[in-house]
Amino acid sequence: QKEVEQNSGPLSVPEGAIASLNCTYSDRVSQSFFWYRQYSGKSPELIMSIYSNGDKEDGRFTAQLNKASQYVSLLIRDSQPSDSATYLCAVNTGGGATNKLIFGTGTLLAVQP
Amino acid sequence: KAGVTQTPRYLIKTRGQQVTLSCSPISGHRSVSWYQQTPGQGLQFLFEYFSETQRNKGNFPGRFSGRQFSNSRSEMNVSTLELGDSALYLCASSPGGSGRETQYFGPGTRLLVL
Repeated sequence: QKEVEQNSGPLSVPEGAIASLNCTYSDRVSQSFFWYRQYSGKSPELIMSIYSNGDKEDGRFTAQLNKASQYVSLLIRDSQPSDSATYLCAVNTGGGATNKLIFGTGTLLAVQP
Repeated sequence: KAGVTQTPRYLIKTRGQQVTLSCSPISGHRSVSWYQQTPGQGLQFLFEYFSETQRNKGNFPGRFSGRQFSNSRSEMNVSTLELGDSALYLCASSPGGSGRETQYFGPGTRLLVL
């Protein structure tokens, strides 16, 4: 079993719709979870971070965390063509103050105009 | 602040050679992590350095090594290159004081092994 799993997609949604991206992880003691966006040929950039169970909203983006189910999700409201990219779920498995991000394989999102 | 910089941006090597990649973190950041990205395996963690010490290590062979200098700049070295080492190598920096920090990625070094 991979440590962090995502559906590879592609996930195709029409402009203005809600895109829902999902991620599961295997390390029960992980405390920090991140969503990165990566455009083709570019490096990853952070979209959202979440550390506590529940929802965290930032503009059109909402991250949801359920530690009991070992599940993280990202909702993108009012999807725009510029949101078309690969979305990477990452879990910090380093422990303490250290950094060891384990990434899922990414979900390719295509927003159709 | 200037972002994370990586040099060189592109590199072509042949099998058996060795290569050294460089990463300069954001000013004030003391943690530098290295990742390998390939189409088949995705983004994989190589190692993290903090205050010149390796703090975490991924599941890569000993041919992959790194170091960090007192100014937090980091280098990674790959010896005896194999075709499968062709990849985008990314470094990321963060302040280093918490596991909840955002890691900021550099533009990457694209390595092609022939």
